[in-house]
Amino acid sequence: DIEMTQSPSSVFASVGDRVTITCRASQGINNWLAWYQQKPGTAPELLIYAASSLHSGVPSRFSGSGSGTDFTLTINNLQPEDFATYYCQQTKTFPRTFGQGTKLQI
Amino acid sequence: QAQLVESGGGVVQPGRSLRLSCAASGFTLRSHDVHWVRQAPGKGLEWVAVIWFDATNEHYADFAKGRFTVSRDPFRNTLDLQLNSLRAEDTALYYCARNSGYNFGDAFDVWGQGTMVTVSS
Repeated sequence: DIEMTQSPSSVFASVGDRVTITCRASQGINNWLAWYQQKPGTAPELLIYAASSLHSGVPSRFSGSGSGTDFTLTINNLQPEDFATYYCQQTKTFPRTFGQGTKLQI
Repeated sequence: QAQLVESGGGVVQPGRSLRLSCAASGFTLRSHDVHWVRQAPGKGLEWVAVIWFDATNEHYADFAKGRFTVSRDPFRNTLDLQLNSLRAEDTALYYCARNSGYNFGDAFDVWGQGTMVTVSS
């Protein structure tokens, strides 16, 4: 199985800040990586697919990069609604695996 | 607007069974692979299983093999997840999620709101 490791596990930031979350795969996955946002009590929502493509309707302050084993999610100009938990997921092989999550807090 | 709605969750004793359902609206479920993902209380996301759009193939997480079965209803826009031999560690919120397809990185682009399964004596 491909193990996905996110860092940090939690991060504190302020409105207007820029935040970067990293995700590392235990083996190469090309660009088969997705990022999701989950707010308390709600289902996850897709942000980024194929490592760097923005899902429809997602604000452009979100961006993704990387290929192979190392990936990043960057959020520019943090907004109050961005404080949530973020997960990466590899979509290359089964079982699909998620990172452990990064909680973005004020 | 594409939506998924899960149902069938509840409280069940260890060793018993439960059948979850996932219903789609706004799109044809038969056109997409569909995954099940679970989330234990206060924990992260854990992939459970997938069924191909045409029901010709399935894959399961190791913990689900031999106990869980995913199937499609060919006459309705729904699919099911049969949970057998349930254990306390299966307690979680179970989501169904639509696969976006190869051209969209096979990401999960539509999620239901989840249905809670509690395994307790």
